[in-house]
Amino acid sequence: EVQLVESGGGLVRPGGSLRLSCATSRFTFSKYAMTWVRQAPGKGLEWVSSISGSGGGTFYADSVKGRFTISRDNSKNTLYLQMNSLRAGDTALYYCVKSCGADCYSGFDNWGQGTLVTVSS
Amino acid sequence: DIVMTQSPLSLPVTLGQPASISCRSSQSLVFSDGITYLNWFQQRPGQSPRRLIYKVSNRDSGVPDRFSGSGSGTDFTLKISRVEAEDVGVYYCMQGTQWPITFGQGTRLEIK
Repeated sequence: EVQLVESGGGLVRPGGSLRLSCATSRFTFSKYAMTWVRQAPGKGLEWVSSISGSGGGTFYADSVKGRFTISRDNSKNTLYLQMNSLRAGDTALYYCVKSCGADCYSGFDNWGQGTLVTVSS
Repeated sequence: DIVMTQSPLSLPVTLGQPASISCRSSQSLVFSDGITYLNWFQQRPGQSPRRLIYKVSNRDSGVPDRFSGSGSGTDFTLKISRVEAEDVGVYYCMQGTQWPITFGQGTRLEIK
């Protein structure tokens, strides 16, 4: 069974930074695009960013473009999200999501349990 | 951006009765390869989302056959033939045809 385990969330002040990680196992990581999806407290799902299996293709929501950077280390089977210039509106549970293939982004067939990011002074 | 509009947003259903959720997109979801990238997800209380249906009508492994997806173009439907207690939660449609990927607002299913 595919495993996706997020970490790195926490409380950060506005303007601060955090790096989220997603440790994966039980599938060939490099063969799948990966995505971060967030969910603000009591709200719906919002796509944040996706990355191709090789890492050569990256995509961002307008709301995070220029502030967040998605990356991956295929040797460590780990996905990352570097979040800078954090705002109160970034407060959410961040999910790591596996997609359908190396350049297939919309599968979303497996989700982690999420890591909570709280931006507050 | 493609806007995904679900209705209803709240769906009270009697156990054993059918339920239906509509999802409409602001543009056609047919990609240049001819495939429609429309998924449905279930989020039970306190849990992560779980994919139920992909590419409009393909049921995921382990998903009960009382769940079905249909539709085309801009108009899609998730149907539950007979609602069970474990179906309580929020249901989301999602399009992956065009960047940015977008979700519907969610439909909260509850037992009457």
